[in-house]
Amino acid sequence: KQEVTQIPAALSVPEGENLVLNCSFTDSAIYNLQWFRQDPGKGLTSLLLIQSSQREQTSGRLNASLDKSSGRSTLYIAASQPGDSATYLCAVPNNAGNMLTFGGGTRLMVKP
Amino acid sequence: DAGITQSPRHKVTETGTPVTLRCHQTENHRYMYWYRQDPGHGLRLIHYSYGVKDTDKGEVSDGYSVSRSKTEDFLLTLESATSSQTSVYFCAITERQELSGEQYFGPGTRLTVT
Repeated sequence: KQEVTQIPAALSVPEGENLVLNCSFTDSAIYNLQWFRQDPGKGLTSLLLIQSSQREQTSGRLNASLDKSSGRSTLYIAASQPGDSATYLCAVPNNAGNMLTFGGGTRLMVKP
Repeated sequence: DAGITQSPRHKVTETGTPVTLRCHQTENHRYMYWYRQDPGHGLRLIHYSYGVKDTDKGEVSDGYSVSRSKTEDFLLTLESATSSQTSVYFCAITERQELSGEQYFGPGTRLTVT
């Protein structure tokens, strides 16, 4: 059974710092990996989707990398801003592609 | 943002009553999903649909049923609500599984069973 872990569970940084969020998964036979953002009391917003054939994907100040062989993905946030404060979740589909398994999330606080 | 709405957004109900949550999409996507989110358990799949009238169970399907009579609507029913079903429920959609698989989520329904 696929297990997804995110470390750290919480992170507090001053504004302007570059930071890395980690996601690890136990079964490397994945089709893709998706990063989401969730604000308190809100739904999930898709940030980046990396296909299994890709090594990384970029959107603005966000860069996500994928290393299937080691079962890891990282989300890099450049020049963090208070508006980046949220919980960040990673998720991978199962072999049938009909279910996402989510990590527990990293709760990020960027202090002004 | 993907065109997904959920109704109601908040509901308080009593143990033993039936409850139906609705997910509506305007994207004409084939696949729709119901998840629940709980502290300490994260997001878990309840049921999903791969087409009109085609549904299947997810990880935590006991006590829930679903129906999909139109592409745009996916209903989640709690036949007899229990306190353990107090949760935040999210609907999600995707155009394709496997090869693409990017899922888009609705705003959620907060359900409290007293």
